[in-house]
Amino acid sequence: GESVGLHLPTLSVQEGDNSIINCAYSNSASDYFIWYKQESGKGPQFIIDIRSNMDKRQGQRVTVLLNKTVKHLSLQIAATQPGDSAVYFCAENELSGSARQLTFGSGTQLTVLP
Amino acid sequence: DSGVTQTPKHLITATGQRVTLRCSPRSGDLSVYWYQQSLDQGLHFLIHYYNGEERAKGNILERFSAQQFPDLHSELNLSSLELGDSALYFCASSFGQGAGYGYTFGSGTRLTVV
Repeated sequence: GESVGLHLPTLSVQEGDNSIINCAYSNSASDYFIWYKQESGKGPQFIIDIRSNMDKRQGQRVTVLLNKTVKHLSLQIAATQPGDSAVYFCAENELSGSARQLTFGSGTQLTVLP
Repeated sequence: DSGVTQTPKHLITATGQRVTLRCSPRSGDLSVYWYQQSLDQGLHFLIHYYNGEERAKGNILERFSAQQFPDLHSELNLSSLELGDSALYFCASSFGQGAGYGYTFGSGTRLTVV
């Protein structure tokens, strides 16, 4: 099937700087996208989501942008903190059989430098 | 604590053996999803159950099977284990079918096949 992918496997940023993590998707029928954060030894944790009828959604220190024209998602983290160090996954809500489930990209490792 | 409980946390077994992984969904959630996370870090969808019925299958091997019981807990059975089956296995739960109702992940079971 079609897949979700990430542009960069690793990203290092200085503490206090803004981080931008990118993601490309290929299934134009996906109606919903989610960013997850996974810390070492833990399960993925929901960060923020966006529906396909939106271009932008903001949360606390995080913003997701959706560009349906080029099938691109980005996660922006403002004032990156050491606790933000983790692997970040984008996921698309894809129809399979009679139900939808999330298809994940391969992840980006974000490292916050002191 | 996400509310999704997975047991055991760690499992070491030999090739050719069979294991059962257990997942208790968050209270009130009717859907359970199983994912495999291998060394490439990607989360690969295996199977989805909703209220006891199978709803969707991903690229799940024939050696793997799952079920959801009347109390909504789910078990993932892996048989004739191979070295390549070593991975983290996550389950997630949601109230409805599909991520639009919110996915919550457990902490995973780390399976090592030796």
